[in-house]
Amino acid sequence: AQKITQTQPGMFVQEKEAVTLDCTYDTSDPSYGLFWYKQPSSGEMIFLIYQGSYDQQNATEGRYSLNFQKARKSANLVISASQLGDSAMYFCAMREGPPGSQGNLIFGKGTKLSVKP
Amino acid sequence: EAQVTQNPRYLITVTGKKLTVTCSQNMNHEYMSWYRQDPGLGLRQIYYSMNVEVTDKGDVPEGYKVSRKEKRNFPLILESPSPNQTSLYFCASSNRGRSTEAFFGQGTRLTVV
Repeated sequence: AQKITQTQPGMFVQEKEAVTLDCTYDTSDPSYGLFWYKQPSSGEMIFLIYQGSYDQQNATEGRYSLNFQKARKSANLVISASQLGDSAMYFCAMREGPPGSQGNLIFGKGTKLSVKP
Repeated sequence: EAQVTQNPRYLITVTGKKLTVTCSQNMNHEYMSWYRQDPGLGLRQIYYSMNVEVTDKGDVPEGYKVSRKEKRNFPLILESPSPNQTSLYFCASSNRGRSTEAFFGQGTRLTVV
């Protein structure tokens, strides 16, 4: 079974509007971390945001926020005020285990976001 | 500058010709790993290493080898490449800890003909 599911292979959003990229995860471990990465057409992987399973508040980093709904096992990425430079592939990833551990980073299949001018 | 360096960036080779993709990090990270990225499949882990001389298989290890003789280097070896190993490969490193981000190399686009 897939541990990370991204159900939107591709999405379009109008420039300056907000967009939500979906991510659901599957784990029986009570302790885990969730990550989002951006991959522009140039190919590099850029870390965007992190959410720990015990974090009380949703993570935010500039225009990026993570809508963390633990009971539903979802960790959706919200990008506010989309810009043309946000056009990229976005990957959700999870690492299981307690804070001091070093579990493997498991990725979803990604969502390709296209921002329209 | 903190970075993970992979070489080469692009490689076209023939079936069966052994090749090595190098990976080096300058952040003194213990943990390093290799991924391959294929359209529609996301990133899948090939091998990982918790520290020097400690390596283990990921989800798709068949056809690959790795070694970790020094903390900074983690080469990926394809002993006898086949066309189904045509892919985009990433090396990544991170500090110990669940919350630490993984730093990625620039990627190596490999084509096996």
